[in-house]
Amino acid sequence: AQKVTQTQTSISVVEKTTVTMDCVYETRDSSYFLFWYKQTASGEIVFLIRQDSYKKENATVGHYSLNFQKPKSSIGLIITATQIEDSAVYFCAMRALNYNQGKLIFGQGTKLSIKP
Amino acid sequence: AQTIHQWPVAEIKAVGSPLSLGCTIKGKSSPNLYWYWQATGGTLQQLFYSITVGQVESVVQLNLSASRPKDDQFILSTEKLLLSHSGFYLCAWSLDLVSSYEQYFGPGTRLTVL
Repeated sequence: AQKVTQTQTSISVVEKTTVTMDCVYETRDSSYFLFWYKQTASGEIVFLIRQDSYKKENATVGHYSLNFQKPKSSIGLIITATQIEDSAVYFCAMRALNYNQGKLIFGQGTKLSIKP
Repeated sequence: AQTIHQWPVAEIKAVGSPLSLGCTIKGKSSPNLYWYWQATGGTLQQLFYSITVGQVESVVQLNLSASRPKDDQFILSTEKLLLSHSGFYLCAWSLDLVSSYEQYFGPGTRLTVL
């Protein structure tokens, strides 16, 4: 069975610093995709970044980057130069290539607070 | 650009009453559509998905049903609401099921069942 686990319930950092959020996953599939989403206070869910399991290079989009450690089934999200507006709940998600449901399995979420 | 609209924005309903939530996507033909549910403070759980008009597959049984009457429309409904139906309902779309494309979410509908 697939499972995604985010053990950090909440994190608080000072603005303009770097923060890392952890995520580990379980799957028996050889090919899969990992995603990070952000949920704002209004409830809006925004796609941030994706990592394909067959790619060795860590994905980077803007000030978001990933630390993909496949042997450890880990996909950490790194946010550099944090801003107040980065305060949100961050969800890690996974889907297998072979599923015909497009089913995303989400982690429990990590609440990030950015302090001035 | 694709836009996704959900209605209503929020609902307060009585236990045992019927419910209908809607989702419309514009700017993309034949999208794959999904319904998700999120309990307050919880994670997202996929409920239904649809790859074409008239075809809907259930992922989780929560005494809800879904339909896709038009290519750009996805409806979530039930004839009798339960207290456990309270939460945040989100519609999402993606390009297709096979590729790795991510899903994009609508603004959601907050449902309170009393």
